[in-house]
Amino acid sequence: QKEVEQNSGPLSVPEGAIASLNCTYSDRVSQSFFWYRQYSGKSPELIMSIYSNGDKEDGRFTAQLNKASQYVSLLIRDSQPSDSATYLCAVNVGNEKLTFGTGTRLTIIP
Amino acid sequence: EAQVTQNPRYLITVTGKKLTVTCSQNMNHEYMSWYRQDPGLGLRQIYYSMNVEVTDKGDVPEGYKVSRKEKRNFPLILESPSPNQTSLYFCASSLANSYNEQFFGPGTRLTVL
Repeated sequence: QKEVEQNSGPLSVPEGAIASLNCTYSDRVSQSFFWYRQYSGKSPELIMSIYSNGDKEDGRFTAQLNKASQYVSLLIRDSQPSDSATYLCAVNVGNEKLTFGTGTRLTIIP
Repeated sequence: EAQVTQNPRYLITVTGKKLTVTCSQNMNHEYMSWYRQDPGLGLRQIYYSMNVEVTDKGDVPEGYKVSRKEKRNFPLILESPSPNQTSLYFCASSLANSYNEQFFGPGTRLTVL
């Protein structure tokens, strides 16, 4: 079983709608969780970090963490064409390593 | 400007010819890391360093070496590159450890013929 799993997509969402991205992880001792955005040909950039159960909101982005279900999600409200990118889930798996999922490619349709 | 720099950005080489990819950060970060990114496999950690002279293996360390003699620099060394090391490589740094946000360099696209 992969340590961090994401649906590779592509996920297509109409402009203005909510995009929902999901990630599951296998290590129960994981303590920190990140969502990175990567545009084609560019390096990853941090969108959100979350460390405790519940929701964390930052502008149009909301990260949700459920440690009991080993599940972390990212919601993007009022999706814009500029949100079209690959979204990477990353999990600190209990040591100093950071493990990334393979990413979900998101396309916002104007 | 706070940044992570990598050189070279693009490199085409031949099997067995030793090469070094440099990485430098100007943010006084303790933690630095190297990743490779391959289609369908995502970002995989090669090596990381918690501080000067402290390095440890990530998930795919075979065929790579690193050193951390200075806080700001973390070069990636391929002693004898092979075609399966053709990939996009990213260096990253964070303030203290992997619990913190990582800042990524622009990437180095390596092709080994």
